[in-house]
Amino acid sequence: DAEITQSPRHKITETGRQVTLACHQTWNHNNMFWYRQDLGHGLRLIHYSYGVQDTNKGEVSDGYSVSRSNTEDLPLTLESAASSQTSVYFCASSPFRSGGSNEQFFGPGTRLTVL
Amino acid sequence: KNQVEQSPQSLIILEGKNCTLQCNYTVSPFSNLRWYKQDTGRGPVSLTIMTFSENTKSNGRYTATLDADTKQSSLHITASQLSDSASYICVVRREISSGSARQLTFGSGTQLTVLP
Repeated sequence: DAEITQSPRHKITETGRQVTLACHQTWNHNNMFWYRQDLGHGLRLIHYSYGVQDTNKGEVSDGYSVSRSNTEDLPLTLESAASSQTSVYFCASSPFRSGGSNEQFFGPGTRLTVL
Repeated sequence: KNQVEQSPQSLIILEGKNCTLQCNYTVSPFSNLRWYKQDTGRGPVSLTIMTFSENTKSNGRYTATLDADTKQSSLHITASQLSDSASYICVVRREISSGSARQLTFGSGTQLTVLP
């Protein structure tokens, strides 16, 4: 069955270290997204991609970067981790680009703690 | 400012009881509204979607309503089960021509606990 996976599921790192979170989907979806989820906040968009070599900034993109070298993967990199980036990170994918009712399919999440 | 407010923040009910979760939004222009269920430690999963012309839509024991005039939606759960314990998230899509992920505004969710 097609799915979307994230790794690692849990990560503890130190301030200033570079961290990469992996996201892999087997639906062949063009669109992929990264969100963070913090207590008291809705999911907030970090970066998104509409296809290979396409990346776009979301509302909370500072300190994060992504790259899209193939359809299946959208890794999220924290260049220099900060305590404010302690959060749960969700990757999602969807099949269409614009408008409509396209549903996003979410991965299981990665809990990141920055000490 | 485009906002989605959900109430209550948390709710505890006994198994078998009904409950209603609320979602108020200021997103404009409105395209659609989706309810997601998020189990603990999992990603959100879509329950239903409401478009402008739809007032009521059911998915098993879940019934969503939409009043586009007052910009309110509700999710009613009938005969609750222990497995209904989860966070329920309301997401509103704004209608813009360019088509962007920035169209979506997420509510912070209602945490529902169903006790035996």
